[in-house]
Amino acid sequence: DAGVIQSPRHEVTEMGQEVTLRCKPISGHDYLFWYRQTMMRGLELLIYFNNNVPIDDSGMPEDRFSAKMPNASFSTLKIQPSEPRDSAVYFCASRKTGSTGELFFGEGSRLTVL
Amino acid sequence: GENVEQHPSTLSVQEGDSAVIKCTYSDSASNYFPWYKQELGKRPQLIIDIRSNVGEKKDQRIAVTLNKTAKHFSLHITETQPEDSAVYFCAASSLGGGGNKLTFGTGTQLKVEL
Repeated sequence: DAGVIQSPRHEVTEMGQEVTLRCKPISGHDYLFWYRQTMMRGLELLIYFNNNVPIDDSGMPEDRFSAKMPNASFSTLKIQPSEPRDSAVYFCASRKTGSTGELFFGEGSRLTVL
Repeated sequence: GENVEQHPSTLSVQEGDSAVIKCTYSDSASNYFPWYKQELGKRPQLIIDIRSNVGEKKDQRIAVTLNKTAKHFSLHITETQPEDSAVYFCAASSLGGGGNKLTFGTGTQLKVEL
């Protein structure tokens, strides 16, 4: 398996623009998580899905952030409008029910908002 | 919700020495405690985990101990090597019973000096 695949790897955009980050989980994994990593706040859970259904979005910072999972092999995290404080590395991770509990992370998407 | 505190934030050791990183958690329902290693510019990867039904687990040079009563757990790395230099994150979760969120500590930057 290719692992969790994220795109883009790097994104530089200007304040006010819409940003869409994409994630393909490992085939057969029924949990998908979006994390944000910054120096100040570490790894923060934004939202997670189980069987494509959002279970907990309490970590989503504000209404500018939204996430979808239209099918088992694809998820998006959208920021509209983006702000400089959204600059961070966004990780997608997946795991399988009944497994050891290990989260498999993607390579991350580094977002810079100017 | 769960709160995980991690200390120290930075740790510098000489090659061959031992390193210890400590974490505390707040939710007594948490039963799964993994440790992730993140090399510079890379994704976090699981190195060892422990469940609440055991007090200690070892894997070659790394070990984790858990004290459920005190709600703390620790990572021990012996005979440190330069390739151990990375950021280490502890985490806590209550697998099963509806709990699937992995809450991370703020990370420890370990530097192994020659």
